[in-house]
This record gives sequence, structure tokens and C-alpha cells, in this order.
Amino acid sequence: EVQLLESGGGLVQPGGSLRLSCAASGFTFSDHAMSWVRQAPGKGLEWVSAIRGSGASTFYADSVKGRFTISRDNSRNTLYLQMNSLRAEDTALYYCAKDAYSGSYFPLPNWGQGTMVTVSS
Amino acid sequence: EIVLTQSPGTLSLSPGERATLSCRASQSVSSSYLAWYQQKPGQAPRLLIYGASSRATGIPDRFSGSGSGTDFTLTISRLEPEDFAVYYCQHYGSSRYTFGQGTKLEIK
Repeated sequence: EVQLLESGGGLVQPGGSLRLSCAASGFTFSDHAMSWVRQAPGKGLEWVSAIRGSGASTFYADSVKGRFTISRDNSRNTLYLQMNSLRAEDTALYYCAKDAYSGSYFPLPNWGQGTMVTVSS
Repeated sequence: EIVLTQSPGTLSLSPGERATLSCRASQSVSSSYLAWYQQKPGQAPRLLIYGASSRATGIPDRFSGSGSGTDFTLTISRLEPEDFAVYYCQHYGSSRYTFGQGTKLEIK
């Protein structure tokens, strides 16, 4: 069974940094692209970033480009999101998600339960 | 950049009725990369439909998707109490994902 478990969220001041983790199990982690998707309180879904299974390619939404860095450690079956220069508008529940087929990027049938990030002074 | 616009914003129906949700793309998109998700309060999104019309594993056949080009539709043929939720369409292309703003399906 595919399991995705996010961690690392919390309260951080504007301008601060946070690193999120997503521990994966139940599938061959290195075969699959992974994404981060966020949801601000009471709002819709917003894609944040994606990374190829090998880690060789990364992609970002314009809203986070230059501030966030996605990475993965395939030996630990773990996905990361390093978030720097955080802003109030980054406040959201952050989900990690797995693609359906090796290298497909789409669709996203498996999601974690999310980790909450609150940016506030 | 592709924008997905969902309508209506809120749909009020009764159990047993038919629901029709719309997703319109700002430009023509490949139906292979159009999906629908359901999200209930406090839960992660759940994949319903991918490739515009293929049901994901375990999804009941009362859910169906259709459309092409810029206009896509999610139909729930006969609403069950557990179907009342928020529904999002999603597109993937040019190494990015786009979500619609969602349609809330509420009990009338």
C-alpha cells in the first residue's frame, strides 16, 4: 500500500525558513515523480513543485521559484521541500503527491495527509 | 499559462439527482492530461477521473468524465450522500500543473 507521510510544518516568522519532508513507502520511490501541492486555509489547491524520479529535473510554480527548492533522497525514500524567504501567503497545508506511472508525472492518485505551515509574526 | 475555470462555484442538489460540473480551459488542452479530484473536509484530494474520461481505481461508475479541447465535464449520475464535497479539475502540461478553483457540491 502506498503511504506518504509529511512532516516538518510549523509556525515561522516572515522571512524565515522551513524544510518539509515526505516519507514514502509501498512503492519503488526512485521510479516515480513526486510533487508538492498546497492549500491555503479555506482555499483551493495550488501546485508548488515537482521532481523527476531520479532527481535530475525539478519544476516550480512561479509563486515559489527562487525561494523554494525541491529535492529527494532515494536511498531514504524521502522527498523534501526547502522553503526560504517565507511570506504570509505561503501559509497553507502542504501535501506531497505521487504520480501514477513511472515517469508519467500525471495524474496524482496518491496523496499524503499534509503538514501545516503558518507564516506569521 | 493555462487557466482552468470551473462552474458553477457552488451546486446545490439533493441525493438521487444528477450533477454536472464544468471545467473550461483558457486554451485547448490535451484530454490525456485532464483529471478530476474530489476533496472532503479534512481529507486529502482523491483522484476520480484522469485522461478526461477514465475512472481511477475504485471509483464508482456513477462518476463519469467527458470533453475535449477547452470544455470538460464531470457528471455524477445519481448523487449519494457521500458525494457532497468539493471537486477540482486539473491539467498537466509544460512541466506544470494547474488546478481549477473548485466546485462545491452541497446538499440542497
